Amino acid sequence: DTAVSQTPKYLVTQMGNDKSIKCEQNLGHDTMYWYKQDSKKFLKIMFSYNNKELIINETVPNRFSPKSPDKAHLNLHINSLELGDSAVYFCASSQVGQFNEQFFGPGTRLTVL
Amino acid sequence: AQSVSQHNHHVILSEAASLELGCNYSYGGTVNLFWYVQYPGQHLQLLLKYFSGDPLVKGIKGFEAEFIKSKFSFNLRKPSVQWSDTAEYFCAVIAYNNNDMRFGAGTRLTVKP
Repeated sequence: DTAVSQTPKYLVTQMGNDKSIKCEQNLGHDTMYWYKQDSKKFLKIMFSYNNKELIINETVPNRFSPKSPDKAHLNLHINSLELGDSAVYFCASSQVGQFNEQFFGPGTRLTVL
Repeated sequence: AQSVSQHNHHVILSEAASLELGCNYSYGGTVNLFWYVQYPGQHLQLLLKYFSGDPLVKGIKGFEAEFIKSKFSFNLRKPSVQWSDTAEYFCAVIAYNNNDMRFGAGTRLTVKP
């Protein structure tokens, strides 16, 4: 009965590879997000999706692309991985409205060698 | 867009000491405010939130925070910390009825037994 789940939990890969991280929420929320947390614990929002529309896209390289097959899923695809992509990636979801608390997934620790 | 600043980067306390972590935000409109906690190796969990009403909000594990609108502040407090409170604490702000949540840089709390 996990609210927001991510797979995999750990991902170790070589530079130049392409990888994906999956996220699913069972809260019925209409908005999902991807955050990147660097080694200094700084949280940076990367994307959010609301009803299959990208509504926030910070200065993220276009090697990163979110894909939402439906309202409950928001996957993150990363092409041509670089060393600087090593971080923990968190998925989150919320319901836009007055009570817009975000619920976070367990995180995916990506290590690029 | 709104922004958040947390004044303390790293706080070290002994058990039973009192805690106050500062958080200030900048935004001219109505906001919802949050404190999240991240225990070592884990995801973000909500400690407490302010949407409206009583500006003194109580959260889990004995934490509380006070919203002072005139000071744009939402400081986190706990009268007596425990070793298990060792974690990273994040203040976050989101404009009312919006989904663009902004996090502070985080404060690392270390509680010595």
